[in-house]
Amino acid sequence: DARVTQTPRHKVTEMGQEVTMRCQPILGHNTVFWYRQTMMQGLELLAYFRNRAPLDDSGMPKDRFSAEMPDATLATLKIQPSEPRDSAVYFCASGLAGNTGELFFGEGSRLTVL
Amino acid sequence: DQQVKQNSPSLSVQEGRISILNCDYTNSMFDYFLWYKKYPAEGPTFLISISSIKDKNEDGRFTVFLNKSAKHLSLHIVPSQPGDSAVYFCAATWRDDKIIFGKGTRLHILP
Repeated sequence: DARVTQTPRHKVTEMGQEVTMRCQPILGHNTVFWYRQTMMQGLELLAYFRNRAPLDDSGMPKDRFSAEMPDATLATLKIQPSEPRDSAVYFCASGLAGNTGELFFGEGSRLTVL
Repeated sequence: DQQVKQNSPSLSVQEGRISILNCDYTNSMFDYFLWYKKYPAEGPTFLISISSIKDKNEDGRFTVFLNKSAKHLSLHIVPSQPGDSAVYFCAATWRDDKIIFGKGTRLHILP
């Protein structure tokens, strides 16, 4: 049963702390996306990769967010330092390039920054 | 700058009737349009898509209509069932695989 796996599912931290969220895409998928869900903005695109290369990270606050794919089985999203406004659910999704936009989402990482 | 807009935050429909969810877009370069469904505490799941060169795509109870001149698409669910209660996201893709989403519409199916 292929699925996207995200860790942690829940994270509570204090302002100023570093937060790292991890994602294991579906084996064989070559695009990986990070989205953030908030009440006000819906699903915001933060960054995405094709074949591990970052294509667009314009949705991320550059001074504090970073996204990487160390290898084909792991994508990371790091926030340093975290702020209360970063509280949201962060979703990772994977898919196949050129496949009309069908993505498979993980269950999300709910982040609360106090 | 929201390029994909869902202007109705919520919609209530009687079970058995038709649900119509709407979406507007501003970018003529979009390649495909998609609808995703999301239940609480789960990730979104793909529902149905339509190519920018088509005007209709049907899959069972779900039909998506695309009106390019109006830059508008809609998702019709007929008949609506209790399990259809969820948040529905409209999305659009570019050729470089970029996919952006609207803010979502929460659909309530009433008994």
